[in-house]
Amino acid sequence: GESVGLHLPTLSVQEGDNSIINCAYSNSASDYFIWYKQESGKGPQFIIDIRSNMDKRQGQRVTVLLNKTVKHLSLQIAATQPGDSAVYFCAENTAPSGNTGKLIFGQGTTLQVKP
Amino acid sequence: DAGVIQSPRHEVTEMGQEVTLRCKPISGHNSLFWYRQTMMRGLELLIYFNNNVPIDDSGMPEDRFSAKMPNASFSTLKIQPSEPRDSAVYFCASSPGANEQFFGPGTRLTVL
Repeated sequence: GESVGLHLPTLSVQEGDNSIINCAYSNSASDYFIWYKQESGKGPQFIIDIRSNMDKRQGQRVTVLLNKTVKHLSLQIAATQPGDSAVYFCAENTAPSGNTGKLIFGQGTTLQVKP
Repeated sequence: DAGVIQSPRHEVTEMGQEVTLRCKPISGHNSLFWYRQTMMRGLELLIYFNNNVPIDDSGMPEDRFSAKMPNASFSTLKIQPSEPRDSAVYFCASSPGANEQFFGPGTRLTVL
């Protein structure tokens, strides 16, 4: 069946270092992927997305990498800051591009930034 | 834009009582999603609507759960009767038709 999973439940990094959060997905038909950030007591907040016709996309301090061969997704955060401490979720959408469909979320990785 | 609005933010009730959660999506968004989040099961999609029509309710756990969207600016998720295992944070999200979903702040439900 469809599933999205994360390799590490908790990641602890030093402030200023780069962070890499990984995600595996199982549905090769998924064509759209999103990373969300969830701070304590708040709803998930969109960080960055990528379509399956790309293998890399960059935002402000964040980069998402997609490896369709091994069905792997990663989120890289440059110069990690205390404000980056949160739970990070990857999600996949198997709906055809342009159509709204179900997002299947991974279990989440907790990022802890040490000052 | 105020974003997705949910009410109440916190709800404490006793087992057997009816619970109604409310959501106002972002104006102009044509898709609405209800999620449940627990430590054990993570973030689960319960149901979603496109243009006020329920598209997929396969995530609704039992007949005790029901959701409606009478118009483009309002949706409810009802649990009747509620049980302690329904305790969770319930999120509503809306989408403009693209894939990105915008989440509300959630309703923390505690069923005693």
